[in-house]
Amino acid sequence: DAGVIQSPRHEVTEMGQEVTLRCKPISGHDYLFWYRQTMMRGLELLIYFNNNVPIDDSGMPEDRFSAKMPNASFSTLKIQPSEPRDSAVYFCASSYGEPNSPLHFGNGTRLTVT
Amino acid sequence: GNSVTQMEGPVTLSEEAFLTINCTYTATGYPSLFWYVQYPGEGLQLLLKATKADDKGSNKGFEATYRKETTSFHLEKGSVQVSDSAVYFCALSDLYSGGGADGLTFGKGTHLIIQP
Repeated sequence: DAGVIQSPRHEVTEMGQEVTLRCKPISGHDYLFWYRQTMMRGLELLIYFNNNVPIDDSGMPEDRFSAKMPNASFSTLKIQPSEPRDSAVYFCASSYGEPNSPLHFGNGTRLTVT
Repeated sequence: GNSVTQMEGPVTLSEEAFLTINCTYTATGYPSLFWYVQYPGEGLQLLLKATKADDKGSNKGFEATYRKETTSFHLEKGSVQVSDSAVYFCALSDLYSGGGADGLTFGKGTHLIIQP
Protein backbone atom coordinates (compact mmCIF):
# COMPACT_ATOMS: atom_id res chain seq x y z
CA ASP A 1 0.00 0.00 0.00
CA ALA A 2 1.36 3.42 -0.94
CA GLY A 3 0.01 5.12 2.15
CA VAL A 4 -1.60 8.55 2.22
CA ILE A 5 -0.19 10.70 -0.57
CA GLN A 6 -0.08 14.47 -0.34
CA SER A 7 1.02 17.00 -2.91
CA PRO A 8 2.89 19.20 -3.20
CA ARG A 9 5.49 18.52 -0.48
CA HIS A 10 6.43 22.18 -0.40
CA GLU A 11 4.53 25.26 -1.53
CA VAL A 12 5.80 28.81 -1.45
CA THR A 13 3.37 31.52 -2.47
CA GLU A 14 2.76 35.21 -2.07
CA MET A 15 0.13 36.69 0.16
CA GLY A 16 -3.23 36.94 -1.58
CA GLN A 17 -2.68 33.98 -3.88
CA GLU A 18 -4.87 30.90 -3.93
CA VAL A 19 -3.32 27.70 -2.61
CA THR A 20 -4.64 24.19 -3.20
CA LEU A 21 -3.35 21.21 -1.25
CA ARG A 22 -4.14 17.69 -2.40
CA CYS A 23 -4.58 14.35 -0.68
CA LYS A 24 -5.10 10.78 -1.80
CA PRO A 25 -6.18 8.59 1.15
CA ILE A 26 -5.43 4.92 1.52
CA SER A 27 -7.74 2.88 -0.66
CA GLY A 28 -10.71 1.59 1.30
CA HIS A 29 -10.42 4.10 4.11
CA ASP A 30 -13.69 5.88 4.79
CA TYR A 31 -12.51 8.69 7.08
CA LEU A 32 -10.31 11.56 5.95
CA PHE A 33 -8.88 14.29 8.16
CA TRP A 34 -7.05 17.55 7.48
CA TYR A 35 -4.68 18.86 10.16
CA ARG A 36 -2.47 21.92 10.47
CA GLN A 37 0.78 21.81 12.48
CA THR A 38 2.61 24.86 13.81
CA MET A 39 5.14 25.34 16.56
CA MET A 40 2.81 27.65 18.45
CA ARG A 41 -0.43 25.68 18.30
CA GLY A 42 0.72 22.13 17.64
CA LEU A 43 -1.62 19.89 15.66
CA GLU A 44 -5.05 21.31 14.95
CA LEU A 45 -7.89 19.34 13.37
CA LEU A 46 -9.38 21.46 10.60
CA ILE A 47 -12.08 19.22 9.14
CA TYR A 48 -12.94 15.58 8.70
CA PHE A 49 -15.00 13.58 6.23
CA ASN A 50 -16.79 10.25 6.43
CA ASN A 51 -17.67 8.57 3.15
CA ASN A 52 -16.82 11.81 1.32
CA VAL A 53 -19.25 13.86 3.42
CA PRO A 54 -17.89 16.63 5.68
CA ILE A 55 -18.80 15.72 9.25
CA ASP A 56 -17.28 18.55 11.21
CA ASP A 57 -15.55 21.67 9.96
CA SER A 58 -15.55 23.58 13.24
CA GLY A 59 -11.75 23.61 13.21
CA MET A 60 -11.53 25.52 9.93
CA PRO A 61 -10.07 28.87 10.97
CA GLU A 62 -12.10 31.14 8.71
CA ASP A 63 -13.96 31.42 5.45
CA ARG A 64 -10.74 31.66 3.48
CA PHE A 65 -10.35 27.92 4.06
CA SER A 66 -12.44 25.33 2.24
CA ALA A 67 -12.15 21.57 1.78
CA LYS A 68 -13.78 19.18 -0.62
CA MET A 69 -13.86 15.44 -1.17
CA PRO A 70 -15.40 14.81 -4.58
CA ASN A 71 -14.75 11.07 -4.40
CA ALA A 72 -13.32 8.41 -2.10
CA SER A 73 -9.79 8.76 -3.46
CA PHE A 74 -9.24 12.51 -3.50
CA SER A 75 -9.57 15.55 -1.28
CA THR A 76 -8.44 19.17 -1.52
CA LEU A 77 -7.86 21.91 1.00
CA LYS A 78 -7.99 25.37 -0.50
CA ILE A 79 -6.92 28.69 0.97
CA GLN A 80 -8.08 31.81 -0.85
CA PRO A 81 -6.67 34.36 -0.33
CA SER A 82 -3.60 33.10 1.53
CA GLU A 83 -1.97 35.09 4.34
CA PRO A 84 1.46 34.79 6.01
CA ARG A 85 -0.16 33.42 9.19
CA ASP A 86 -1.33 30.41 7.17
CA SER A 87 2.27 29.23 6.94
CA ALA A 88 2.37 25.76 8.49
CA VAL A 89 2.64 22.08 7.67
CA TYR A 90 -0.69 20.67 6.55
CA PHE A 91 -1.31 16.98 7.05
CA CYS A 92 -3.92 14.72 5.57
CA ALA A 93 -4.78 11.49 7.38
CA SER A 94 -7.18 8.64 6.74
CA SER A 95 -8.65 5.79 8.74
CA TYR A 96 -11.05 2.94 8.37
CA GLY A 97 -14.12 1.61 9.99
CA GLU A 98 -14.96 3.71 12.99
CA PRO A 99 -14.33 7.24 14.25
CA ASN A 100 -11.81 6.19 16.91
CA SER A 101 -9.60 4.10 14.62
CA PRO A 102 -5.90 5.01 14.41
CA LEU A 103 -4.97 7.55 11.77
CA HIS A 104 -2.57 7.04 8.86
CA PHE A 105 -0.85 10.30 8.03
CA GLY A 106 0.68 11.57 4.83
CA ASN A 107 4.08 13.28 4.86
CA GLY A 108 2.49 16.71 4.83
CA THR A 109 2.69 19.85 2.72
CA ARG A 110 4.90 22.62 4.06
CA LEU A 111 3.23 25.91 3.10
CA THR A 112 5.09 29.19 3.22
CA VAL A 113 3.18 32.38 2.48
CA THR A 114 5.38 35.45 2.01
CA GLY B 1 -14.22 19.85 26.22
CA ASN B 2 -11.44 17.38 25.55
CA SER B 3 -7.75 18.10 26.02
CA VAL B 4 -4.39 16.36 26.21
CA THR B 5 -1.43 17.59 28.23
CA GLN B 6 2.02 16.15 27.83
CA MET B 7 5.37 17.13 29.20
CA GLU B 8 7.26 19.83 27.36
CA GLY B 9 10.50 18.98 25.69
CA PRO B 10 13.08 18.57 24.58
CA VAL B 11 13.86 15.52 26.67
CA THR B 12 17.50 14.50 26.33
CA LEU B 13 18.66 11.07 27.47
CA SER B 14 21.66 8.85 27.00
CA GLU B 15 21.37 5.60 25.08
CA GLU B 16 20.00 2.71 27.21
CA ALA B 17 18.37 5.06 29.70
CA PHE B 18 14.81 4.53 30.95
CA LEU B 19 12.20 6.75 29.32
CA THR B 20 8.96 8.16 30.67
CA ILE B 21 6.91 10.77 28.84
CA ASN B 22 3.90 11.88 30.87
CA CYS B 23 0.47 12.35 29.33
CA THR B 24 -2.78 13.28 31.03
CA TYR B 25 -6.12 13.90 29.44
CA THR B 26 -9.52 15.44 30.00
CA ALA B 27 -12.49 13.93 28.21
CA THR B 28 -16.24 14.15 28.49
CA GLY B 29 -16.82 10.62 27.22
CA TYR B 30 -14.83 7.36 27.05
CA PRO B 31 -11.97 8.02 24.66
CA SER B 32 -9.48 5.78 22.97
CA LEU B 33 -5.90 6.81 23.68
CA PHE B 34 -2.93 6.78 21.35
CA TRP B 35 0.76 7.53 21.13
CA TYR B 36 2.05 8.65 17.75
CA VAL B 37 5.66 9.25 16.72
CA GLN B 38 6.89 11.76 14.15
CA TYR B 39 10.32 11.48 12.55
CA PRO B 40 11.83 14.54 10.81
CA GLY B 41 10.13 15.42 7.54
CA GLU B 42 7.45 12.79 7.94
CA GLY B 43 3.87 12.51 9.09
CA LEU B 44 2.82 10.97 12.36
CA GLN B 45 2.83 7.19 12.72
CA LEU B 46 0.82 5.21 15.23
CA LEU B 47 3.08 3.80 17.94
CA LEU B 48 0.52 2.18 20.23
CA LYS B 49 -3.04 2.49 21.41
CA ALA B 50 -5.47 1.52 24.18
CA THR B 51 -9.22 1.59 23.89
CA LYS B 52 -10.44 1.07 27.45
CA ALA B 53 -9.40 1.43 31.06
CA ASP B 54 -6.48 -0.76 32.21
CA ASP B 55 -5.58 -1.72 28.64
CA LYS B 56 -1.84 -1.71 27.95
CA GLY B 57 -0.63 -0.77 24.50
CA SER B 58 2.84 -1.88 23.45
CA ASN B 59 5.06 -1.72 20.38
CA LYS B 60 8.81 -1.63 19.64
CA GLY B 61 9.62 -1.82 23.36
CA PHE B 62 7.35 1.11 24.23
CA GLU B 63 4.41 0.66 26.61
CA ALA B 64 1.56 2.76 27.95
CA THR B 65 -1.32 1.83 30.26
CA TYR B 66 -4.75 3.49 30.14
CA ARG B 67 -5.32 4.73 33.70
CA LYS B 68 -8.87 6.04 34.06
CA GLU B 69 -8.50 6.83 37.76
CA THR B 70 -5.61 9.20 37.11
CA THR B 71 -6.66 10.11 33.52
CA SER B 72 -3.17 9.28 32.35
CA PHE B 73 -1.45 7.38 29.54
CA HIS B 74 2.27 7.71 30.22
CA LEU B 75 4.72 6.36 27.64
CA GLU B 76 7.62 4.22 28.88
CA LYS B 77 10.56 2.35 27.43
CA GLY B 78 13.14 0.45 29.40
CA SER B 79 16.20 1.13 27.24
CA VAL B 80 16.14 3.81 24.58
CA GLN B 81 18.22 3.88 21.40
CA VAL B 82 19.50 6.73 19.25
CA SER B 83 16.94 5.70 16.62
CA ASP B 84 14.13 6.54 19.08
CA SER B 85 14.92 10.25 18.66
CA ALA B 86 11.70 11.81 17.37
CA VAL B 87 8.68 13.82 18.48
CA TYR B 88 6.06 11.85 20.43
CA PHE B 89 2.40 12.85 20.52
CA CYS B 90 -0.23 11.67 22.96
CA ALA B 91 -3.75 11.78 21.55
CA LEU B 92 -7.31 10.93 22.40
CA SER B 93 -10.21 10.08 20.15
CA ASP B 94 -13.71 10.52 21.39
CA LEU B 95 -15.65 11.09 18.22
CA TYR B 96 -18.57 9.05 19.51
CA SER B 97 -19.32 11.73 22.11
CA GLY B 98 -20.65 14.31 19.72
CA GLY B 99 -17.62 14.83 17.57
CA GLY B 100 -16.35 18.31 17.01
CA ALA B 101 -12.80 19.44 16.47
CA ASP B 102 -11.79 18.47 20.01
CA GLY B 103 -13.20 14.96 19.62
CA LEU B 104 -9.86 14.07 18.13
CA THR B 105 -7.20 15.88 20.12
CA PHE B 106 -3.42 15.75 20.15
CA GLY B 107 -0.98 16.94 22.78
CA LYS B 108 1.65 19.44 21.69
CA GLY B 109 4.32 16.80 21.31
CA THR B 110 7.50 15.97 23.21
CA HIS B 111 10.79 16.13 21.37
CA LEU B 112 13.00 13.25 22.47
CA ILE B 113 16.74 13.35 21.84
CA ILE B 114 18.84 10.27 22.54
CA GLN B 115 22.58 10.77 22.71
CA PRO B 116 25.03 7.93 22.04
